Amino acid sequence: GAVVSQHPSRVICKSGTSVKIECRSLDFQATTMFWYRQFPKQSLMLMATSNEGSKATYEQGVEKDKFLINHASLTLSTLTVTSAHPEDSSFYICSASRLAGYNEQFFGPGTRLTVL
Amino acid sequence: AQSVTQLGSHVSVSEGALVLLRCNYSSSVPPYLFWYVQYPNQGLQLLLKYTSAATLVKGINGFEAEFKKSETSFHLTKPSAHMSDAAEYFCAVSDNSGGSNYKLTFGKGTLLTVNP
Repeated sequence: GAVVSQHPSRVICKSGTSVKIECRSLDFQATTMFWYRQFPKQSLMLMATSNEGSKATYEQGVEKDKFLINHASLTLSTLTVTSAHPEDSSFYICSASRLAGYNEQFFGPGTRLTVL
Repeated sequence: AQSVTQLGSHVSVSEGALVLLRCNYSSSVPPYLFWYVQYPNQGLQLLLKYTSAATLVKGINGFEAEFKKSETSFHLTKPSAHMSDAAEYFCAVSDNSGGSNYKLTFGKGTLLTVNP
């Protein structure tokens, strides 16, 4: 149990376009979902935390208008990178926490975004 | 505030040798501690976690870690390395009070290479 999926796994887009990444909890309901960004050979940096039905909480330095997060249901959160530029190229990973008890995070497989 | 320090960005061992990956943490409250493994272009897989029960924690794939409060350490060990253990390993700390939805703070990671 506790499987998290991400779609797409890879995306290549042109500079100036917007890209949407989906994160789904497949076999549990997720009260909270987290979005991370990982640059090559570096650690994960938390971008934002989202609770179902609420606005996302962004970490310091993350542009809210650039990285739009929607957590519309207990199994789906989306990250939209608006007007993407080459510097937005990165590996984006989501994680999800269950409803009850200790909220361990379960991680998705990640999405590789390349902006040309 | 929480932080994690992983000593050694790269550890190289021979197949069959002991694996020791070091992690020290800083936390103002009793922590939850985690070790994750990441294979290239994949998400994170939980190896093991400490959540204030037994201080010696056994995980998957023969890994274990010991929580030492006096040393603020949570080092990861495996008695005998396999080639399949080659990957990036991340130590992470979480606030166990439930604050901030149990946000994880990651170390910078240690790349483990296993030589035949």
